[in-house]
Amino acid sequence: KAGVTQTPRYLIKTRGQQVTLSCSPISGHRSVSWYQQTPGQGLQFLFEYFSETQRNKGNFPGRFSGRQFSNSRSEMNVSTLELGDSALYLCASSLGRIQGDHEQYFGPGTRLTVT
Amino acid sequence: EDKVVQSPLSLVVHEGDTVTLNCSYEVTNFRSLLWYKQEKKAPTFLFMLTSSGIEKKSGRLSSILDKKELFSILNITATQTGDSAVYLCAERWQGGSEKLVFGKGTKLTVNP
Repeated sequence: KAGVTQTPRYLIKTRGQQVTLSCSPISGHRSVSWYQQTPGQGLQFLFEYFSETQRNKGNFPGRFSGRQFSNSRSEMNVSTLELGDSALYLCASSLGRIQGDHEQYFGPGTRLTVT
Repeated sequence: EDKVVQSPLSLVVHEGDTVTLNCSYEVTNFRSLLWYKQEKKAPTFLFMLTSSGIEKKSGRLSSILDKKELFSILNITATQTGDSAVYLCAERWQGGSEKLVFGKGTKLTVNP
């Protein structure tokens, strides 16, 4: 079974631009979560999508948004980029059903650099 | 928000040593606790713990959860240089979401 895939793997943008990152979950997984990882703050939860609906959201400004498609693929968008948005963006997929506990697997990440 | 605290923050050992990594959490809506290993890439899933006192084991790695005392430990026996990584633990809440709250991690360095 293929793992979680993310594209692109690396991205360099300038302040004020916007960016879209993509995540394809493991086949059969319906939940996709996004995390931002920085040296200072560690791994922080951005949001989670399940069956095309945002199920939870972290404490990030409205410039960070996402969506999920009917095939469970997800995108996140960051508008009006700031230098502090430079980070590794990770997505994770799981079965996501409320009943039971499911393992969560991470993709390789997108390294975003804002200059 | 619940806080997940890992200790120590870093650890340097020699090959063959046994290490114990600690993870404590503050529970209001605890559902499960997950351990990951992160080298210079994405976190790799190690264990998921939901029940107290049950040990999960995979080769030289094992983990146990104490829901009464609100902590988990990750043990690595006979360490190898390939075990060098950051080990992360994360708490998952109740409430119908897959949100994970991560600790800052323990950086383990295994010297030959």
